[in-house]
Amino acid sequence: DAKTTQPTSMDCAEGRAANLPCNHSTISGNEYVYWYRQIHSQGPQYIIHGLKNNETNEMASLIITEDRKSSTLILPHATLRDTAVYYCIVSYAGNNRKLIWGLGTSLAVNP
Amino acid sequence: SAVISQKPSRDICQRGTSLTIQCQVDSQVTMMFWYRQQPGQSLTLIATANQGSEATYESGFVIDKFPISRPNLTFSTLTVSNMSPEDSSIYLCSGVGKETQYFGPGTRLLVL
Repeated sequence: DAKTTQPTSMDCAEGRAANLPCNHSTISGNEYVYWYRQIHSQGPQYIIHGLKNNETNEMASLIITEDRKSSTLILPHATLRDTAVYYCIVSYAGNNRKLIWGLGTSLAVNP
Repeated sequence: SAVISQKPSRDICQRGTSLTIQCQVDSQVTMMFWYRQQPGQSLTLIATANQGSEATYESGFVIDKFPISRPNLTFSTLTVSNMSPEDSSIYLCSGVGKETQYFGPGTRLLVL
């Protein structure tokens, strides 16, 4: 079973920030938080990952709470093309990187 | 990042037949995995494709039904054998690069 819980669906207005929460209260000390998204049944696309510190890249920011039991993915200026299912996954780094997928959050960006 | 391609992108097959899906990675990856995504569902791991040896299957998946090959670091195949309508799914391969896991575009399979 997936070790994360996410809201089933969310809406966001185009141009506004989309904040997607994820709970992972049983995360272990050396497990990372990964975020992927899947647009209309295409292959999943990697977004960002982190261990303890907040992370930012050209796609998004990842905010991890100090106790690491939850995190938030931030899309700073959502566009219609960001409409997708967003998956939050916890996993160990390293070569044996099995990802256990939950149902994710279906984000709808509205004009 | 690794670029992963799959062939075919989609197919419609008759029950009882078999289909082989090819996965090609443009750079060397350490691990390669095969996933299944049934309609409206999330991804389920089928197996880890091991180079030059038998794949490692997850619970509920067996080699006779889903034989997998990985002759080198950048190529793998998954065969869906003796298909039934319940095998209608998207099949995805992935490769683990330096930082994370990358996915192919998927193969949409419909079994009639």
